[in-house]
Amino acid sequence: EDQVTQSPEALRLQEGESSSLNCSYTVSGLRGLFWYRQDPGKGPEFLFTLYSAGEEKEKERLKATLTKKESFLHITAPKPEDSATYLCAVQGAGTASKLTFGTGTRLQVTL
Amino acid sequence: GAGVSQSPSNKVTEKGKDVELRCDPISGHTALYWYRQSLGQGLEFLIYFQGNSAPDKSGLPSDRFSAERTGGSVSTLTIQRTQQEDSAVYLCASSATPGAADGNEQFFGPGTRLTVL
Repeated sequence: EDQVTQSPEALRLQEGESSSLNCSYTVSGLRGLFWYRQDPGKGPEFLFTLYSAGEEKEKERLKATLTKKESFLHITAPKPEDSATYLCAVQGAGTASKLTFGTGTRLQVTL
Repeated sequence: GAGVSQSPSNKVTEKGKDVELRCDPISGHTALYWYRQSLGQGLEFLIYFQGNSAPDKSGLPSDRFSAERTGGSVSTLTIQRTQQEDSAVYLCASSATPGAADGNEQFFGPGTRLTVL
């Protein structure tokens, strides 16, 4: 059974204070690892897909990396508008459909 | 273009009543998914449609839950004889080419918040 664990559960940063969010996973044959951002009362917003160990993707202040056991979402010089819950999900080779999600990291960026 | 839309945005019902939740996927997306998000828990997969067929229904929690998709587009999730534990946000997502190396991303709607009193 695919499993995803995210840490920390919550993270409070000051504006400009860089940090990383962790996503550890077990999956039988990784088809893809996905990062989403979710604002309160809204559906998840797609950020990145990573397919193989060593892959990296960037978007503005966010950079996602992938190893065989975990993924990191690095946030560089965050701004208050980056405050949200960040969700990680995996799609296994045996399930070319559903995503298995972690419970997310709730990020708060203050001035 | 338009994203995934869901209706209603909020639904309050009494225990024992039936409810229908609707999802309009992104135009041209062949795959459609339903997930449930309960307070403090991760998103939980319910069912996957490819076209009008549902090859994976493994996440439906009981036979009170059913879903259909017509015309390869709109989907309806029906919960019969609702219970308080059914209270959650029900999210719908669609993707262009499920399982492919590209276009595999699932795009989510805003969800329907269901409250069972």
